[in-house]
Amino acid sequence: AQSVTQLDSQVPVFEEAPVELRCNYSSSVSVYLFWYVQYPNQGLQLLLKYLSGSTLVESINGFEAEFNKSQTSFHLRKPSVHISDTAEYFCAVSVGYSTLTFGKGTMLLVSP
Amino acid sequence: DVKVTQSSRYLVKRTGEKVFLECVQDMDHENMFWYRQDPGLGLRLIYFSYDVKMKEKGDIPEGYSVSREKKERFSLILESASTNQTSMYLCASRPRGGANVLTFGAGSRLTVL
Repeated sequence: AQSVTQLDSQVPVFEEAPVELRCNYSSSVSVYLFWYVQYPNQGLQLLLKYLSGSTLVESINGFEAEFNKSQTSFHLRKPSVHISDTAEYFCAVSVGYSTLTFGKGTMLLVSP
Repeated sequence: DVKVTQSSRYLVKRTGEKVFLECVQDMDHENMFWYRQDPGLGLRLIYFSYDVKMKEKGDIPEGYSVSREKKERFSLILESASTNQTSMYLCASRPRGGANVLTFGAGSRLTVL
């Protein structure tokens, strides 16, 4: 069975600073990888996904993540964060179309 | 856009009560899921369904049951609510094919007193 580890439960950062949210997974077979974001009082929304092909994937709001097979990682990065990026971020993994396994989440706190 | 609607955003129930959480999606998705979300534990899968009248246990099914009588509706049932079931409950759906991307509802926050 697959598993996901998000190494930081909370990441405080100042506005316009870069940020990296870390995610490592464990699986003996090929996986699909996802980042979801949850804004306060809302459900989760897909931020970006890796299925195959290019190992660097990007979202429409400036986030990117890189699939690193050798390190079994899928870290999320943004070069310059905004206050509006304050949210909880969840990394998730699936083997094919099996059910998703989520990490425990990382709260990104952006302050002025 | 696909919409997943959870009719009750906030509920307060008493221990021992029967609780129904309803979820409706409007894009003809075959697969539907119920997760619970707790601080520090992330999302844990309770039950899922691949089709009408089909259900599969997830990682934490104890104390819960589900019903899927119509394709668009997936209900989570707490037969006898307990205080340790106080949580945020998230419903999600996805089509049979595609990229295994879930669309989530806004959540139902249940407090059991």
